[in-house]
Amino acid sequence: QKEVEQDPGPLSVPEGAIVSLNCTYSNSAFQYFMWYRQYSRKGPELLMYTYSSGNKEDGRFTAQVDKSSKYISLFIRDSQPSDSATYLCAMKTTSGTYKYIFGTGTRLKVLA
Amino acid sequence: DSGVTQTPKHLITATGQRVTLRCSPRSGDLSVYWYQQSLDQGLQFLIQYYNGEERAKGNILERFSAQQFPDLHSELNLSSLELGDSALYFCASSVGTASYEQYFGPGTRLTVT
Repeated sequence: QKEVEQDPGPLSVPEGAIVSLNCTYSNSAFQYFMWYRQYSRKGPELLMYTYSSGNKEDGRFTAQVDKSSKYISLFIRDSQPSDSATYLCAMKTTSGTYKYIFGTGTRLKVLA
Repeated sequence: DSGVTQTPKHLITATGQRVTLRCSPRSGDLSVYWYQQSLDQGLQFLIQYYNGEERAKGNILERFSAQQFPDLHSELNLSSLELGDSALYFCASSVGTASYEQYFGPGTRLTVT
């Protein structure tokens, strides 16, 4: 079993829809939870991060972490065609063995 | 533009050969990370250097090695190449040794024929 699981998609939604992207994990040592966006033929770029549990909002993006369920989510409101990309979750430990693990990514397509 | 540069952009080589990928981190960043991204495996962490010293090792094969030079640029050496080594190789950098935020370069696409 992988330490971080992410549905690869693809996920197609109409413009303006609310998008929900999710990851599950098995290692309770993860304390930092990140979401990266990767456009085709580009390197990933950090969108948001959350430390420990809770919600974080940045414009149209909201990140949620539920440590009791080992489940994290990224919500995109009012999705735009420019949001079409692959979204990767990532998780990092803060003690013990250093681990920075990425999910395999979910491919999102927002249709105009 | 993340400020991280990687060369070359594309590399085509034959099985059994050796190649070197180069990375220059963002100005001020001391950590460099190398990742391999393939369709079936996603983004796999290979190795991290901090200020010239190896800090963490991931799923890096013995045929692969890396180093970070005094000017902080890094090189990833891949030898005895196999077809399965064909992938995108990304370099990322960060300020500290265990930062949550990593800045990725544009990647080097390696094709082994």
